[in-house]
Amino acid sequence: AQSVAQPEDQVNVAEGNPLTVKCTYSVSGNPYLFWYVQYPNRGLQFLLKYITGDNLVKGSYGFEAEFNKSQTSFHLKKPSALVSDSALYFCAVRDPLSAGNMLTFGGGTRLMVKP
Amino acid sequence: DADVTQTPRNRITKTGKRIMLECSQTKGHDRMYWYRQDPGLGLRLIYYSFDVKDINKGEISDGYSVSRQAQAKFSLSLESAIPNQTALYFCATSDLGGVAGELFFGEGSRLTVL
Repeated sequence: AQSVAQPEDQVNVAEGNPLTVKCTYSVSGNPYLFWYVQYPNRGLQFLLKYITGDNLVKGSYGFEAEFNKSQTSFHLKKPSALVSDSALYFCAVRDPLSAGNMLTFGGGTRLMVKP
Repeated sequence: DADVTQTPRNRITKTGKRIMLECSQTKGHDRMYWYRQDPGLGLRLIYYSFDVKDINKGEISDGYSVSRQAQAKFSLSLESAIPNQTALYFCATSDLGGVAGELFFGEGSRLTVL
């Protein structure tokens, strides 16, 4: 079975500082990995994904994520945080060999960026 | 206009009542999903449909049913609502290429069961 862990319920960072939101995963095959963001009273929006190729993936709003197979991690990063980045972030994994190819989400990490 | 539209956006109901949440999409996607979001648990899949004639249970389908009335419409029903079904419900779509593709979400339907 596939699973995703986001070990931090909340991450606090000052505006202008770098941010990292952690994600680790477990799948039986090679993973497809995704990050989504949820702003208040809104649905989830896709940020970026790793399917294959370069381990560093760049996405929307200046975010990037690094796939690390040996550590089974896919941490989300941004070099300089903005107050407007404050939101709920979800990591998700899909095992392309699994029946139904379903996406499994982590529990979410709330990012708070203080001015 | 939103590509994935959910109605109602908010609903308060009583235990035992039947509730239907509706989802329509203009993205032309074949695959549609219903998820529920609970704090700290992320999103959990209730049902999914790969086309009009294909309906599948997700990880938490007990107490729920769905209907895919057309490619663009996918509704979720709670036949007899109970308080632990209080949650935020999301409809999502993806295209046929699906495995590597991302999901597109509606803005959610907040359901409170008293």
